[in-house]
Amino acid sequence: GAVVSQHPSWVICKSGTSVKIECRSLDFQATTMFWYRQFPKQSLMLMATSNEGSKATYEQGVEKDKFLINHASLTLSTLTVTSAHPEDSSFYICSAQLAYGRTDTQYFGPGTRLTVL
Amino acid sequence: DAKTTQPPSMDCAEGRAANLPCNHSTISGNEYVYWYRQIHSQGPQYIIHGLKNNETNEMASLIITEDRKSSTLILPHATLRDTAVYYCIVDSSNTGKLIFGQGTTLQVKP
Repeated sequence: GAVVSQHPSWVICKSGTSVKIECRSLDFQATTMFWYRQFPKQSLMLMATSNEGSKATYEQGVEKDKFLINHASLTLSTLTVTSAHPEDSSFYICSAQLAYGRTDTQYFGPGTRLTVL
Repeated sequence: DAKTTQPPSMDCAEGRAANLPCNHSTISGNEYVYWYRQIHSQGPQYIIHGLKNNETNEMASLIITEDRKSSTLILPHATLRDTAVYYCIVDSSNTGKLIFGQGTTLQVKP
């Protein structure tokens, strides 16, 4: 089956620093990639939709200057949390969609746990 | 806001069928019902989806009522590894944007 990886799987950083999270589709080219955030004991919240070569579309309430998304190729999207603060500590999950318009072909990464001290 | 309602938690005995209900009374004619699950501290995993007809694959069966206002996900022989949060999602946008509700935490017990 299609595999999506994330790197790193966990990261601890100091308040005020920036953290980059990579999302890769390993064996397919993704038409679209998505970024989600999940706080403890809560559901996933969609942050943004990313298409290769174009600017990401952010959901309402998500600060685009704080969560920078770069989608450089059909297999790689990155999320950079800039000037991270403790309230940004969360589980960040990406997904990659194989076929446009086919939600059943969306595959999720294993997630990245970010802890900001 | 999520368009579905699910019970917050359910228990199931190992080896028995797990039946997870989902209410989607405001579903539109072109909206599909999708089921995903999330095992603790992992990314969600696609299970099955359907529009009107019942569907079955190697993981589960999906039963959709005739009026499409509710559905049931059936895991025919639950194992301990099926312990997870199960999300029922309706989607018609074809954009891939999944709006997750609170889901049902299924605990499979030995």
